[in-house]
Amino acid sequence: QSALTQPASVSGSPGQSITISCTGTSSDVGGYNHVSWYQQHPGKAPKLMIYDVSNRPSGISNRFSGSKSANTASLTISGLQADDEADYYCSSYATSWVVFGGGTKLTVL
Amino acid sequence: QVQLQESGPGLVKPSQTLSLTCTVSGDSISSGNHYWSWIRQPPGKGLEWIGYTYYSGITYYNPSLKGRVTISVDTSKNQFSLKVSSVTAADTAVYYCARDGSHGDNDYWGQGNLVTVSS
Repeated sequence: QSALTQPASVSGSPGQSITISCTGTSSDVGGYNHVSWYQQHPGKAPKLMIYDVSNRPSGISNRFSGSKSANTASLTISGLQADDEADYYCSSYATSWVVFGGGTKLTVL
Repeated sequence: QVQLQESGPGLVKPSQTLSLTCTVSGDSISSGNHYWSWIRQPPGKGLEWIGYTYYSGITYYNPSLKGRVTISVDTSKNQFSLKVSSVTAADTAVYYCARDGSHGDNDYWGQGNLVTVSS
């Protein structure tokens, strides 16, 4: 039961777009359209940004978007802002349990 | 407004049992509209899903923790609880409770409860 694979870090300048990948297997990411993405600022609880691959909860900016191809899901943040600097985690449903990615630190340059 | 609040000791001795309770307000566990999760985060590390429960008492656990973890629900108090037995230093973490739509989409979280395992 391995964690999903995310890059350790990504960076971008204000106004740019970045994409964070989340790679799993056919037993999790590839097998279900139940991928979620969370944003976590230091010392805070995670915040749900995307669910079911590409759906945004109420109140989440449309600068955040999600997609999936085969066993890899992606989170794209457009128009980067300083407050987007945070850790991002993906998760996937996996037949009666949930697996998280290792997390990606986003730095806004 | 939905709110979740973890409560329990911040220090547990090795080999003992860690116990936490999550009190839910602004939503009813017995409505059956959500699952109720426990997730933990060791200091400086990533998130780990522990398990979740439904109002009926059915539970699902992370296979890597199964055998040491018990999640239970008390609908009369609108609370759910976590027990982790035979703890070691590796169980030191911030423990979060959260509301899950049923497939890992946790939309409301508690503030987190740091539990340190140390003698």
